[in-house]
Formats: sequence, structure tokens, C-alpha cells
Amino acid sequence: AQSVAQPEDQVNVAEGNPLTVKCTYSVSGNPYLFWYVQYPNRGLQFLLKYITGDNLVKGSYGFEAEFNKSQTSFHLKKPSALVSDSALYFCAVRGQGKGNTGKLIFGQGTTLQVKP
Amino acid sequence: GAVVSQHPSWVICKSGTSVKIECRSLDFQATTMFWYRQFPKQSLMLMATSNEGSKATYEQGVEKDKFLINHASLTLSTLTVTSAHPEDSSFYICSARRLRGAASSYNEQFFGPGTRLTVL
Repeated sequence: AQSVAQPEDQVNVAEGNPLTVKCTYSVSGNPYLFWYVQYPNRGLQFLLKYITGDNLVKGSYGFEAEFNKSQTSFHLKKPSALVSDSALYFCAVRGQGKGNTGKLIFGQGTTLQVKP
Repeated sequence: GAVVSQHPSWVICKSGTSVKIECRSLDFQATTMFWYRQFPKQSLMLMATSNEGSKATYEQGVEKDKFLINHASLTLSTLTVTSAHPEDSSFYICSARRLRGAASSYNEQFFGPGTRLTVL
């Protein structure tokens, strides 16, 4: 069965410092991996995705994520956090190939709090 | 491009009434739309997958007679919460996946802004 784990309910970081939001996954076959951000009472905004190719993926607003197949991880990173980055972040996975339903499975979400 | 809208953005209704939520893909055709439910500070839970012209596929534990889904065209899916009760109060989010063969090599999902349902 497909699953996604975001081990931290909340991440606190000071503005200007680097941030990391962790994500590990379990899926049969090769994964499609995604990060989304959600602001209060809003839908999800796409940040970045890994489909194939380079393990380091760059996305919107200066975010990037590194696909690590051996560790089955896809951690979200940003070199310098902004207060405006404070939001709820979701990691999601979709399996490829036969037997995969194409559904996105979401992690439980991590609240990022960036303090000035 | 790839904008998904939802209407209404919020709705308050009395217990026992039915509420319809629309999900539209504004600038692309979507063979598949997904309906999610989100409780405060929790993850998105997939309720059902809606395919244009066919019956929706519901996730385990989701009452198909309570949450009626219609995907009448390639740009519109509706979710009707029938005989709503306070426990149905939630944030409902839809997403739409592009028609196969579109420019993107992967049929990405695009999310709507969500609909806040409050049942009194």
C-alpha cells in the first residue's frame, strides 16, 4: 500500500535560516512525488514535483527537494526562510505503472512557522 | 493556465438540507476530478474519484448515497452533500487532472481553492 509520512507536526525556524520539512514514502514501483503548500482557508498550491531525472528538484518560491531512493525520502528545503513561508506543507505520492490507481496519497502535513 | 475553481467558496446550511458544490476546470479539460475532505489542521482525505461520463469511484467508508458526485462534462464535477448534518461540516477540496495526451508528460492534478461547509 502507498503511504506518506511527515514525521514533524511543526517545524520552527528563524527568518533567514535554512529550513527542511521531512517526508518519507512507501510505494510499489517508481514514485511520483509532490510538495504542496496550503495557507489558511485556501486550497493547495503546487510547489514542485519529482517524476524522473535529476534527484534535486527546484520549485516555486525558492523551494527545492531532493529525491533519495535508498532512503525513500523527499525532503523539502529552502536556503533562507521568509516569514511569508509560514503555512501548512503537504507531501504527496503517486505510484507509477500497472497496479497503481493514480490516486495521490497525502502525508499528514507539517506546519512551518518562520519567526522574524 | 490550469486553473480550477470551486463554487461556493463557503456555505452555511441547516441540518437536513442538501448542498451542491461545483468544481470547474477553467482552461483545460479534465477526464478525472477528485474530491477531498479536510478537517482542521489535518490532511486531505480522498473521498471519491470522478470520471467524466461514468459513475464515481468512492473510497472505503464514504457513503455514496450521502455524497453524490456527478461529472457531466470535461470541465465540471459536482458534489452534493445530501441531508447534511453538523458532522459533515468540513473543508471540501476538488482537484482536476488534465486529459491524457496534453502537453504535460504527466497528468498533473490541479487543486481548487476549497469550499468551507458549515452545517448548523
